[in-house]
Amino acid sequence: ETGVTQTPRHLVMGMTNKKSLKCEQHLGHNAMYWYKQSAKKPLELMFVYSLEERVENNSVPSRFSPECPNSSHLFLHLHTLQPEDSALYLCASSQGPGRGAYNEQFFGPGTRLTVL
Amino acid sequence: GQQLNQSPQSMFIQEGEDVSMNCTSSSIFNTWLWYKQEPGEGPVLLIALYKAGELTSNGRLTAQFGITRKDSFLNISASIPSDVGIYFCAGQPSPSSNTGKLIFGQGTTLQVKP
Repeated sequence: ETGVTQTPRHLVMGMTNKKSLKCEQHLGHNAMYWYKQSAKKPLELMFVYSLEERVENNSVPSRFSPECPNSSHLFLHLHTLQPEDSALYLCASSQGPGRGAYNEQFFGPGTRLTVL
Repeated sequence: GQQLNQSPQSMFIQEGEDVSMNCTSSSIFNTWLWYKQEPGEGPVLLIALYKAGELTSNGRLTAQFGITRKDSFLNISASIPSDVGIYFCAGQPSPSSNTGKLIFGQGTTLQVKP
């Protein structure tokens, strides 16, 4: 595998389900990000992890719970979601702070989430 | 909060034509990035700009970091059908944070007629 991978690519869940999205980066990066992409809206940053520590949480509802067990893996745990949470969830990674090209984020293909 | 205004929202052009799009902000940015997203995929980084006035090319694509640091431009020359997609600008606002946070534009949807 190369780059940033995400699984599953598609997910349909009910409002009472619990599911998790997985992201893995094979680029040797130290920072990882979760974004939400809804139609007609700019990408919304949800969470940032740098060196496995959460450094940004953009007022995301608690029904979204991130986890970063190591610098290569990032999870987004989902529970009791709402239909308006249906969107494309994108993971990205970049080099860590203090290193060159820190702002160059590389994205995975996304998970298309539908909440019924 | 900080916003990027990207225009045009969409373009429908003839193959072979040149394309221009831009992003503007009311505040200063330290970094400008341009991405392309195709259906069913995540955004792919095209060009990164780090200095005011910088002009960088990637094949038929050329991007510039505006000298005011409040705007950036992307040009595509001699468009081909595979240029179809949504192009996003993104920037790191000044002052910099240590989180690598980027602000994204709303995207320009490009359609190319063969």
